[in-house]
Amino acid sequence: KAGVTQTPRYLIKTRGQQVTLSCSPISGHRSVSWYQQTPGQGLQFLFEYFSETQRNKGNFPGRFSGRQFSNSRSEMNVSTLELGDSALYLCASSLAQGTDTQYFGPGTRLTVL
Amino acid sequence: AQKVTQAQTEISVVEKEDVTLDCVYETRDTTYYLFWYKQPPSGELVFLIRRNSFDEQNEISGRYSWNFQKSTSSFNFTITASQVVDSAVYFCALSNSNSGYALNFGKGTSLLVTP
Repeated sequence: KAGVTQTPRYLIKTRGQQVTLSCSPISGHRSVSWYQQTPGQGLQFLFEYFSETQRNKGNFPGRFSGRQFSNSRSEMNVSTLELGDSALYLCASSLAQGTDTQYFGPGTRLTVL
Repeated sequence: AQKVTQAQTEISVVEKEDVTLDCVYETRDTTYYLFWYKQPPSGELVFLIRRNSFDEQNEISGRYSWNFQKSTSSFNFTITASQVVDSAVYFCALSNSNSGYALNFGKGTSLLVTP
């Protein structure tokens, strides 16, 4: 069974731009979560989607948003990019919302110049 | 509040040595879930093990074993006979209903295994 896939793997943007990252979960998994990883803050939870609805949200500004499609694929969007948004963005999928184990993709490395 | 502490920031061992990674957690919930993930240089977080709070049985899986002790709020992970391919950053994580089951990660322990 194929794992979680994320596209693109690498991205370079400039301040003020916006970016969209994509995540395809493991087949049959219906929950998708997003995490941001930076050297300073470590791994932080952004949000979780299940059945096309945001079920949980971390402590990030409204510039960070996401959505989930009917096939469980998810996208996250960051508007008005700041230098501090440079990070590895990791997507994780699980069978359902709640206690199921989350399996991660390879991440998208975003660099903001 | 909940918190995961990995006091060891870096560990260096020689191949074939055993190594234990420490994890201490804080939570007020009586039901919670603990995880260990491995992050090799490629960046992907690889799931290793999971333990539910209501199951304190410790197990061995190949070269991996873990020691879950609720009395000390610790969930330590041991690699037996370490190999160079074990070199990675290891993260301990906690989830429970209080966080909506989002993973709350420790800062990670960087393990370097040298030949």
